[in-house]
Amino acid sequence: DAGVIQSPRHEVTEMGQEVTLRCKPISGHDYLFWYRQTMMRGLELLIYFNNNVPIDDSGMPEDRFSAKMPNASFSTLKIQPSEPRDSAVYFCASSLGAGARTEAFFGQGTRLTVV
Amino acid sequence: AQSVTQLGSHVSVSEGALVLLRCNYSSSVPPYLFWYVQYPNQGLQLLLKYTSAATLVKGINGFEAEFKKSETSFHLTKPSAHMSDAAEYFCAVTRTYKYIFGTGTRLKVLA
Repeated sequence: DAGVIQSPRHEVTEMGQEVTLRCKPISGHDYLFWYRQTMMRGLELLIYFNNNVPIDDSGMPEDRFSAKMPNASFSTLKIQPSEPRDSAVYFCASSLGAGARTEAFFGQGTRLTVV
Repeated sequence: AQSVTQLGSHVSVSEGALVLLRCNYSSSVPPYLFWYVQYPNQGLQLLLKYTSAATLVKGINGFEAEFKKSETSFHLTKPSAHMSDAAEYFCAVTRTYKYIFGTGTRLKVLA
């Protein structure tokens, strides 16, 4: 398997624009996580899905953020409208099962810059 | 609530020297603990994990970690540092689905 695939790797956008980040989890994995990494706050869990259903979105910072998982092989994280403080690296991860005895496999991340 | 604290945001060691990266956890239930490594412009990669089977856990690239309940610690060690070990290392704790990551320790290896 090619691992977790994220696109794009880099995104530069102007404030106010809509941004969509994409993720393809590892085939067969039933959990999908979206994380945000910044220097100030480290790695933060934004939302996670189990079998395509959002389970916990308490980490989503604002209503400007939304995430979907229309099927087992695809998820999106959308920011609308984007703001400079959204600049960060966004990681998608997937796992077979959750926590405990399983490990999360991470994608290479999308570096978002909002100017 | 669970949390991890990584002492030292930056650690420098000479090539061939011992690597020691510190992680202390807080958990009201027996935790499951992980160490991940992040190379520049890459995602996180699992180094090793503790799931209560053995207190000394061996991982990839010669790293190991020891779970010490009395000290609530899970420090990462490697006997001899290589230049290729230069990266950022994250300790994480979980019990169910939610991985809580530490703030990371950036390891620099000096020639």
